[in-house]
Amino acid sequence: AQSVSQHNHHVILSEAASLELGCNYSYGGTVNLFWYVQYPGQHLQLLLKYFSGDPLVKGIKGFEAEFIKSKFSFNLRKPSVQWSDTAEYFCAVKALNNAGNMLTFGGGTRLMVKP
Amino acid sequence: NAGVMQNPRHLVRRRGQEARLRCSPMKGHSHVYWYRQLPEEGLKFMVYLQKENIIDESGMPKERFSAEFPKEGPSILRIQQVVRGDSAAYFCASSPQSDYEQYFGPGTRLTVT
Repeated sequence: AQSVSQHNHHVILSEAASLELGCNYSYGGTVNLFWYVQYPGQHLQLLLKYFSGDPLVKGIKGFEAEFIKSKFSFNLRKPSVQWSDTAEYFCAVKALNNAGNMLTFGGGTRLMVKP
Repeated sequence: NAGVMQNPRHLVRRRGQEARLRCSPMKGHSHVYWYRQLPEEGLKFMVYLQKENIIDESGMPKERFSAEFPKEGPSILRIQQVVRGDSAAYFCASSPQSDYEQYFGPGTRLTVT
């Protein structure tokens, strides 16, 4: 069964700092990859997704992620964070050829941006 | 187009009672997924349903938990004889087809006292 690891559980940054959140997965086959964000008191929202093609994916709110197949990684980046980016971020993987169609989530990273 | 709706948003049950959580998928979506988020953990898949069918229930506890998605009406996640360990946030997601992204609802926070 596949698993997803997010190495940073808590990250604290000042506004305008650059952000990189790590995500690694274990599955040898083809995958779809996702980053979701959960703002305080709100539901999960999709930030970006990778299905195929260009491994550098751009999402909403200035976020991007790069799929590196050889490293089984899909790290999330933002060049300059804002206070409003304070939230919890989840990486998720869907293994194709998985009839169950389920997403496997990482444990999440809580980001706090100090004004 | 309304998003995925879940109710109630908060549910308090005493040990031994039953909990019923409802999920109305987005319009046009016939695929529903339930996930559970325990405190300080990520979301864990529970069950995947299409209308009137359970496709994958590999993440469901073997006892006390059941799910349905009838032809008419919302999907229901039912937990019988709740215990303190069932306290969690339960999220529902829907998609129009199996290979599309999943859209999440706001979740139901279940507290068992």
